[in-house]
Amino acid sequence: ELKVEQNPLFLSMQEGKNYTIYCNYSTTSDRLYWYRQDPGKSLESLFVLLSNGAVKQEGRLMASLDTKARLSTLHITAAVHDLSATYFCAVDSQGGSEKLVFGKGMKLTVNP
Amino acid sequence: NAGVTQTPKFRVLKTGQSMTLLCAQDMNHEYMYWYRQDPGMGLRLIHYSVGEGTTAKGEVPDGYNVSRLKKQNFLLGLESAAPSQTSVYFCASRRGGMNTGELFFGEGSRLTVL
Repeated sequence: ELKVEQNPLFLSMQEGKNYTIYCNYSTTSDRLYWYRQDPGKSLESLFVLLSNGAVKQEGRLMASLDTKARLSTLHITAAVHDLSATYFCAVDSQGGSEKLVFGKGMKLTVNP
Repeated sequence: NAGVTQTPKFRVLKTGQSMTLLCAQDMNHEYMYWYRQDPGMGLRLIHYSVGEGTTAKGEVPDGYNVSRLKKQNFLLGLESAAPSQTSVYFCASRRGGMNTGELFFGEGSRLTVL
């Protein structure tokens, strides 16, 4: 059974600082997704990582995928308050792309 | 484009009542999903469908039923609501086959069972 773990689950950081958050998963997969959720809102797709070594960047966020280590990272550069949200990673289940399993999410608070 | 639309957005039920949540997508996606979101639990898959007329159980299917009579619609039913079903429900859809990509989510339906 595929399990997805995010680390940390809560993060409070200062504006201008850098940080990396992690997403580990338990079985073979080469498809990983990052989503953002603002309080009371739906989930918005941030990154789609479809192969080993994939790297995607959007603004102050950069995501990468290492399928051999079963690990994805989301790096935050020079954080700003607008990045405050909950970030989820999700992985396609082994053997097909029918089910997406989500991590529990990481709540990020960026303080002025 | 409307994308994924869920109705209703909010509902309050009494224990034992029944209701149906409707999800409609206009992207011609094959796969559709119902998740529930509870504090500290992330998103948990209730049921999903990989095509018209097909449904399958997810991680937490008990107490729920689903139907996919039309490709664009995916209905989630609660036959006898319980307080443990108080949650925010999200519908999502994605392409099927070899080119599955990310999920597209609806805005969510907040259900309270008293």
